[in-house]
Amino acid sequence: DAKTTQPPSMDCAEGRAANLPCNHSTISGNEYVYWYRQIHSQGPQYIIHGLKNNETNEMASLIITEDRKSSTLILPHATLRDTAVYYCIVSSAGSARQLTFGSGTQLTVLP
Amino acid sequence: DAGVTQSPTHLIKTRGQQVTLRCSPKSGHDTVSWYQQALGQGPQFIFQYYEEEERQRGNFPDRFSGHQFPNYSSELNVNALLLGDSALYLCASSFRDRGGFGEAFFGQGTRLTVV
Repeated sequence: DAKTTQPPSMDCAEGRAANLPCNHSTISGNEYVYWYRQIHSQGPQYIIHGLKNNETNEMASLIITEDRKSSTLILPHATLRDTAVYYCIVSSAGSARQLTFGSGTQLTVLP
Repeated sequence: DAGVTQSPTHLIKTRGQQVTLRCSPKSGHDTVSWYQQALGQGPQFIFQYYEEEERQRGNFPDRFSGHQFPNYSSELNVNALLLGDSALYLCASSFRDRGGFGEAFFGQGTRLTVV
């Protein structure tokens, strides 16, 4: 699986959009971009995933650049409960897919 | 839907002992993966079970073994515990469809402390 690079930490004001970047310059054609988050002392929570088109669900939006070498997770209206470590993961959808977590981005939403 | 459940939530063991952790997958899921998360680090993949067989394994020694039962639940066994095995052990379940595996749902984990 391709390696990802994320900033170690970010702050965001409550009610504002949080934009979390991820670099995955070595991504291959059959690899998806997944985002998970982990709130302190809990298990990781799936947020969203995409292949090459932008995706949106009730939690977030995922913007993938045309060359697929980077992506941005957008939380449109961040709340204090969104404070967590956010992991960007690149993985194929093959028959035995494992998730390779990096260090992630610690997002702190400030009141 | 109870989601992914793990037991116990906390466990303290002595170095050299053996431990068994348990996981019940989310309803409808048939695949279970185990991860180890040391303090301050991201989860590391241990292995994955599907159809009661180990399908893929991460870079963990043979002291780590597992099992999947016909009802899809799973166990993680660790023998000859080391102090470095102290970590949060996470179970993730998913459903294998034609396109591969759907998104993984994680349990709350078992906090293992080796003293």
